[in-house]
Amino acid sequence: RKEVEQDPGPFNVPEGATVAFNCTYSNSASQSFFWYRQDCRKEPKLLMSVYSSGNEDGRFTAQLNRASQYISLLIRDSKLSDSATYLCVLHFSGGYNKLIFGAGTRLAVHP
Amino acid sequence: EAGVTQFPSHSVIEKGQTVTLRCDPISGHDNLYWYRRVMGKEIKFLLHFVKESKQDESGMPNNRFLAERTGGTYSTLKVQPAELEDSGVYFCASSLEMRESTEAFFGQGTRLTVV
Repeated sequence: RKEVEQDPGPFNVPEGATVAFNCTYSNSASQSFFWYRQDCRKEPKLLMSVYSSGNEDGRFTAQLNRASQYISLLIRDSKLSDSATYLCVLHFSGGYNKLIFGAGTRLAVHP
Repeated sequence: EAGVTQFPSHSVIEKGQTVTLRCDPISGHDNLYWYRRVMGKEIKFLLHFVKESKQDESGMPNNRFLAERTGGTYSTLKVQPAELEDSGVYFCASSLEMRESTEAFFGQGTRLTVV
């Protein structure tokens, strides 16, 4: 079983739509969670951290449910520029310092 | 300020040859990481340097891969001899601290194709 599972998509949505991505993880020792964004043939870039209380950054809302080992990302009022692959990422704890990536969910926003 | 830079951006080599990838982290970042993404798979951790020391090399696939960071500045990742399954995108990242909340900044990657 993969440590981080994501629906690969693609999610094809019109501009202005609301879209939600989900991610599940298997390692209950994971302490920190992130959403990264990766444009085609570019490097991953941190979009936002994810906290248990939920956090919002403009049109983006992230949520963490530790009991269900589930992370979500909600994008409101989608823009064409939101088209990218969204990576669910865990920071592996236990004395090490490495990121565990999901395979990513592809989003395509069309006019 | 310059970000993480990687060289070359692309490399095509024949099976059995040697390739060396280079990463220059952000100035002042003691932590340097190598990751790779093989086609169709997720990005996977290879190893982590703190300054010139290997902190964690649990993700290195086998002894054909050798990473160095002499002097604690730039790092190299050598693959010798290269095999077909080594094809993929190799990312380098750096961070200022080791804390979980510290952001890691990624380079644009080296796309390696072994033919």
